[in-house]
Amino acid sequence: DTAVSQTPKYLVTQMGNDKSIKCEQNLGHDTMYWYKQDSKKFLKIMFSYNNKELIINETVPNRFSPKSPDKAHLNLHINSLELGDSAVYFCASSQFVRSYEQYFGPGTRLTVT
Amino acid sequence: GNSVTQMEGPVTLSEEAFLTINCTYTATGYPSLFWYVQYPGEGLQLLLKATKADDKGSNKGFEATYRKETTSFHLEKGSVQVSDSAVYFCALYMDSNYQLIWGAGTKLIIKP
Repeated sequence: DTAVSQTPKYLVTQMGNDKSIKCEQNLGHDTMYWYKQDSKKFLKIMFSYNNKELIINETVPNRFSPKSPDKAHLNLHINSLELGDSAVYFCASSQFVRSYEQYFGPGTRLTVT
Repeated sequence: GNSVTQMEGPVTLSEEAFLTINCTYTATGYPSLFWYVQYPGEGLQLLLKATKADDKGSNKGFEATYRKETTSFHLEKGSVQVSDSAVYFCALYMDSNYQLIWGAGTKLIIKP
């Protein structure tokens, strides 16, 4: 019973393509997040949704667009992929927007060639 | 602004050695402090926390004490195991902006 799941686990694609990463949590949490982790393991928040409402939108290129069809799902769509987008993308969730304990998915390793 | 600084890795130790990973923070106000751990190929998970000054968080043999006077939250373990090899992240949380502020992570390698 995976708490936070992401698909796909690996994604290899060419520059200029459009791709999506899906995330689902079965914890009943209200808040979900997308993080980007670069090759040096530095973790940067990209977006956060609370009950399908966007609450954190860091300085991220417009090519990245999150979508939350319901509070258990938060998908990330990336247009016109660039080499610099190569990273591991983590989805996470927390019970409430003010919760500090976040539960992470296993990550999606995106490689842009 | 708020920030977290961790010692650079990798930190390489032999099994049963004593571990310290340094973490200091800058914050306006009184944050809560955390250590998260990322095992190879996995997502991060909460290791321990401290929500006010002088609190000690502990879990799985790891400890960290919230030191307001030195703005530090160093992670320690008395005797490390190979299975402790992972990346460790120090983080702070402020109610004011609903975000965890992350350190850069410290990779720990334990050799048998």
